[in-house]
Formats: sequence, C-alpha cells, structure tokens
Amino acid sequence: AQRVTQPEKLLSVFKGAPVELKCNYSYSGSPELFWYVQYSRQRLQLLLRHISRESIKGFTADLNKGETSFHLKKPFAQEEDSAMYYCALSGGSGYSTLTFGKGTMLLVSP
Amino acid sequence: DAGITQSPRYKITETGRQVTLMCHQTWSHSYMFWYRQDLGHGLRLIYYSAAADITDKGEVPDGYVVSRSKTENFPLTLESATRSQTSVYFCASSSRDRGSNEQFFGPGTRLTVL
Repeated sequence: AQRVTQPEKLLSVFKGAPVELKCNYSYSGSPELFWYVQYSRQRLQLLLRHISRESIKGFTADLNKGETSFHLKKPFAQEEDSAMYYCALSGGSGYSTLTFGKGTMLLVSP
Repeated sequence: DAGITQSPRYKITETGRQVTLMCHQTWSHSYMFWYRQDLGHGLRLIYYSAAADITDKGEVPDGYVVSRSKTENFPLTLESATRSQTSVYFCASSSRDRGSNEQFFGPGTRLTVL
C-alpha cells in the first residue's frame, strides 16, 4: 500500500525566513512524487514533480529514496506563498492513481 | 481553452435528496477522477475512470455513483445525500502523454447537506 505523510498541519513563518514543508512516503517501488498548491478557495495547481527537477516560484524539492522523503523548500518565504500544500505520490510503473497527504497550511506573516 | 470545469460551484441540498455534480474537460484526457476534500483528511479519492465506460472505486466510494458515457464528462451522483457528504468536491483529469501521472483539477463544488 502507498501512503503519504505530511507531519505538520500548519507551518507559520515570517517573510524572508526559510521554509521546509516535510513529506514522507511509503511505497515499495519507484514512485512519482508531486507537490500541489491550493491558494485560498482555488483549485489545486501542480507546483513541482520530481521527474522534472525544476524550481517553480523559488521552491525546490528533492526525492530522497533512502529516507523516502520529498521535502519542499524555499530559501526566502513571501507572503504570497501562504497556501495549502499537498504532497502526492503515484506508482511509477504504468498508470496509477495519486495518493495525497493531508496537507500543510503555510502562513507567511509580514 | 476551458480546460476542466465543474458545475454547480455551490450547492445546498437536504438529507435524502439525490444530487449530481458535473465535470467536463476539453483536453480529451483518458483519465478522470473525483475527490472530496475535508479538513483533517486532505483529498480522498472517491471514484476514477480510465476511459469511457470504465470506472473503478477509490478510497471512499460508498454513497456515490459515477458514469462515463463520453470521454469529456464524468458526473458524480449522490443517490441519497447525507450530512457526512458535506464537503468540497474536486474533479481532475489526466493523460499519460508526457509519461507522467500529473492530474489537472477543476475549480471544485462546495456541497452542503442540511
């Protein structure tokens, strides 16, 4: 069975501070990992996926297979980063559904 | 480019009534999904579909029915609504054209069951 754990329900930081949103997963094969972001009362949007190894809006995430983690990081948080962030996992071979973590609310204060 | 749309955006109904939530996508994606979003639970998969006339249960299918007669539409029906089905419902679609399971989400339907 596949499982995604986001240990923090809420993460509150000040503008300019570094941010790390934690994501740990459980999956026996090679997973595909995603970070989705949901701004207030809006639809979920893809932020990052591990296979593209890109940086979006200053955020990066590295897949660590040894620690089964996919933490989301940003060196300097901005107020507009305040949102709900979901980590999601998909089985790597063929097609499978996404399993989402319960989400972490990020609040960036001025 | 309309993408993926949901209707209605807001719905209030009463216990025991039948409710249908609509989802329409213009990308001709093969896969479509229904999730419910609840505080403390994140997103939970209700049903999904790999193609027209192919549907399968997700994590929380009880009390819901889906159909997919056309690739672009994936309606979700609550046959007899209960208060526990008060939630925000998201539809999503996906294609493996780029070798990824990335899903694209609709704007959501906020359903209240009184």
